Amino acid sequence: GAGVSQSPSNKVTEKGKDVELRCDPISGHTALYWYRQRLGQGLEFLIYFQGNSAPDKSGLPSDRFSAERTGGSVSTLTIQRTQQEDSAVYLCASSLPGLRAGANVLTFGAGSRLTVL
Amino acid sequence: GDSVTQMEGPVTLSEEAFLTINCTYTATGYPSLFWYVQYPGEGLQLLLKATKADDKGSNKGFEATYRKETTSFHLEKGSVQVSDSAVYFCARTNNAGNMLTFGGGTRLMVKP
Repeated sequence: GAGVSQSPSNKVTEKGKDVELRCDPISGHTALYWYRQRLGQGLEFLIYFQGNSAPDKSGLPSDRFSAERTGGSVSTLTIQRTQQEDSAVYLCASSLPGLRAGANVLTFGAGSRLTVL
Repeated sequence: GDSVTQMEGPVTLSEEAFLTINCTYTATGYPSLFWYVQYPGEGLQLLLKATKADDKGSNKGFEATYRKETTSFHLEKGSVQVSDSAVYFCARTNNAGNMLTFGGGTRLMVKP
């Protein structure tokens, strides 16, 4: 697609429910990233995919969080048994591989705002 | 580890004032450096970047120079406009060059 597409744009759920957030990256972008942005705070790295594999899962805050990517394209971030502290905007970004030289940059989606009541 | 520190906001300026938003990074490896901007209700957009020491990134009147000696990448603009009101994020690549580490963001508010 022309840009990074995320859905839903807004999700309100009750504490304890599971949620799935979807990211559709730019076509041909093999690298995909999930970040979390709590209200008034910076971006917190969650997980990174190169193709379908996730070499860096170090940012996932707990075992309630998981992510997968299939076909080297769409990714789903799943939060099980949601807690109020999970409330945040979840941002997805994609890029071509190799950021060091600055030739490739992250392109972000508009985010999925999650509110856990 | 890799980290980025930027000045806390909000920064409130009058239109046409000079802007500086400070950003420093940990001196590990040879990172590329970026400024991203998030306008109200929108996603993050790349504003400018620099890939090596002494490089200057520029876009839309904003500039930032990669200073290795001070490990800094301060964002500047000579004359801000109301439309520049947004949150600005400084970022660096990690040493593997496969992800970005972001600073905490600085909210800029420009008043007419």
